[in-house]
Amino acid sequence: DAGVTQSPTHLIKTRGQQVTLRCSPKSGHDTVSWYQQALGQGPQFIFQYYEEEERQRGNFPDRFSGHQFPNYSSELNVNALLLGDSALYLCASTPWDRVKDTQYFGPGTRLTVL
Amino acid sequence: GNSVTQMEGPVTLSEEAFLTINCTYTATGYPSLFWYVQYPGEGLQLLLKATKADDKGSNKGFEATYRKETTSFHLEKGSVQVSDSAVYFCALSPSGGSYIPTFGRGTSLIVHP
Repeated sequence: DAGVTQSPTHLIKTRGQQVTLRCSPKSGHDTVSWYQQALGQGPQFIFQYYEEEERQRGNFPDRFSGHQFPNYSSELNVNALLLGDSALYLCASTPWDRVKDTQYFGPGTRLTVL
Repeated sequence: GNSVTQMEGPVTLSEEAFLTINCTYTATGYPSLFWYVQYPGEGLQLLLKATKADDKGSNKGFEATYRKETTSFHLEKGSVQVSDSAVYFCALSPSGGSYIPTFGRGTSLIVHP
């Protein structure tokens, strides 16, 4: 049973560019959440998708947007990249009826903005 | 708002030493509490959890007890191993309708042979 997978593993972009990160949830999970983890910090909640809709959103600007597909996979898009967007981006999945329970995390995508 | 405070790291121990990593929280109601572990180059893995006051979560020799009166969820292990070296995150999931989890900043644990 495959766990949560993310792609790419690493990414380097320059300021002002746009980036798309991808996530496939664990089998049987229909809810995907995205987190930003800056170096030396804990994960910060960006948003959560269920039934192809954004259900919850943390304190992140509109430059951060997402999408969920019918197969439950998800994308995170960040526009107009800033140096401060450099971080590890984590995807986590769970069944919707256990959304307050355990999150299953992927290995993350390391984004570097130059 | 909700917050989680963890002790500063790194915590450096010798193998077989006793481990305590302190975690306190601020939240309304009765949140669920979690400890996650992150090994180098990997995502977070759930270590243990507790969903109500006085519950004790345990896994792989680690334990933590949900203390409502002191708003704490300290992580303990009686005898650490080199393989326990990692970063440990305390987290809460709020009660009520909104689900926005809050994580602590993490505590790095280094265990020497």
